[in-house]
Amino acid sequence: ETGVTQSPTHLIKTRGQQVTLRCSSQSGHNTVSWYQQALGQGPQFIFQYYREEENGRGNFPPRFSGLQFPNYSSELNVNALELDDSALYLCASSWTSGNTGELFFGEGSRLTVL
Amino acid sequence: GDSVTQMEGPVTLSEEAFLTINCTYTATGYPSLFWYVQYPGEGLQLLLKATKADDKGSNKGFEATYRKETTSFHLEKGSVQVSDSAVYFCALRRTAGNKLTFGGGTRVLVKP
Repeated sequence: ETGVTQSPTHLIKTRGQQVTLRCSSQSGHNTVSWYQQALGQGPQFIFQYYREEENGRGNFPPRFSGLQFPNYSSELNVNALELDDSALYLCASSWTSGNTGELFFGEGSRLTVL
Repeated sequence: GDSVTQMEGPVTLSEEAFLTINCTYTATGYPSLFWYVQYPGEGLQLLLKATKADDKGSNKGFEATYRKETTSFHLEKGSVQVSDSAVYFCALRRTAGNKLTFGGGTRVLVKP
């Protein structure tokens, strides 16, 4: 059974650019959530996708958007990057049917905005 | 809104010492409570969980008891090892949805 994989692991962008981060969910998981973890802080929920639809969103502006594909993999897109977007972005997958709240996290994509 | 507060680190201990990390929460209803651990260079891993009041979660020698009356979920381990050095996150999940609300994390460093 493969775990959650994310790419790229590290990337550097400049303010105003756009970025796309990718996530492959753990085998058999149909729900993907994205989190932002600023340095020295706990992860913050960005949004969640289930059956290719966004079905939950945290307190993040519309320039944070996402996609989920039929194979349950997902993308996080951030437009008009700001310096404060520098963070570790974590993807997590789960089963919704069990609803135990147990999420399986990837190792993250570290974004630096200059 | 929901929130989780945990003690700030870093916490530095000697091997075989007793570890406690305090965690309190604010949430309506009856959330599920979790401890996640982040080892250096790795992703978050679920350490233990409790889904209702008075439940005790346990794993790898760590324990935490869901205390509804004090809205707390303190993590304890009786004898830490160097390999327990990591960042520990307390989190809650409301009964609906899969959104987790995390605390700020506590870095633990265990010295031989």
